[in-house]
Amino acid sequence: ELKVEQNPLFLSMQEGKNYTIYCNYSTTSDRLYWYRQDPGKSLESLFVLLSNGAVKQEGRLMASLDTKARLSTLHITAAVHDLSATYFCAGLSSNTGKLIFGQGTTLQVKP
Amino acid sequence: DTAVSQTPKYLVTQMGNDKSIKCEQNLGHDTMYWYKQDSKKFLKIMFSYNNKELIINETVPNRFSPKSPDKAHLNLHINSLELGDSAVYFCASSQGQYSGANVLTFGAGSRLTVL
Repeated sequence: ELKVEQNPLFLSMQEGKNYTIYCNYSTTSDRLYWYRQDPGKSLESLFVLLSNGAVKQEGRLMASLDTKARLSTLHITAAVHDLSATYFCAGLSSNTGKLIFGQGTTLQVKP
Repeated sequence: DTAVSQTPKYLVTQMGNDKSIKCEQNLGHDTMYWYKQDSKKFLKIMFSYNNKELIINETVPNRFSPKSPDKAHLNLHINSLELGDSAVYFCASSQGQYSGANVLTFGAGSRLTVL
């Protein structure tokens, strides 16, 4: 069955710095999603990546997908405190239709 | 205006009790889900319904029983609650499993605490 692993699981960074969160998945996945969750809140959809080489950007966040490497990345540019949250990637299993989530990466941006 | 609404938001109860969580979506979506988020933030799918039909039924204790009276509603009933059932339960909906991007829209979550 599809397994999704993120790293790092926790990331503390200074404002203004760049960093990348990695999401590896084990088998073929039709689609790859990124979600954001603020403490005590719901999950908010950020990106959906549908094909190899897909790149999407919103503000300081950019997501990409490499289906051959079974890898998606979420790149943060010039981090600001408002980006502090937990970020989840999730893959849609081709076999079962289930959306399988990674463990989440908790990002803490310090002033 | 809320797209996916769950009630109650908080639930505190004793072991052995039975409780229900209700979910409604006004997005016109065909598919609804229940996810469980544990204390380590791990999210795991429990059930999924498409047009009132159960399509995903993960290995969860049979004390958990979902019910979908229509495609806009998916309720979760839990019998004989145990300490390990304490978690946040998220309802979600999407256009359809294999429809377009199939982005899930999540509700605000229902935090269940079993004492």
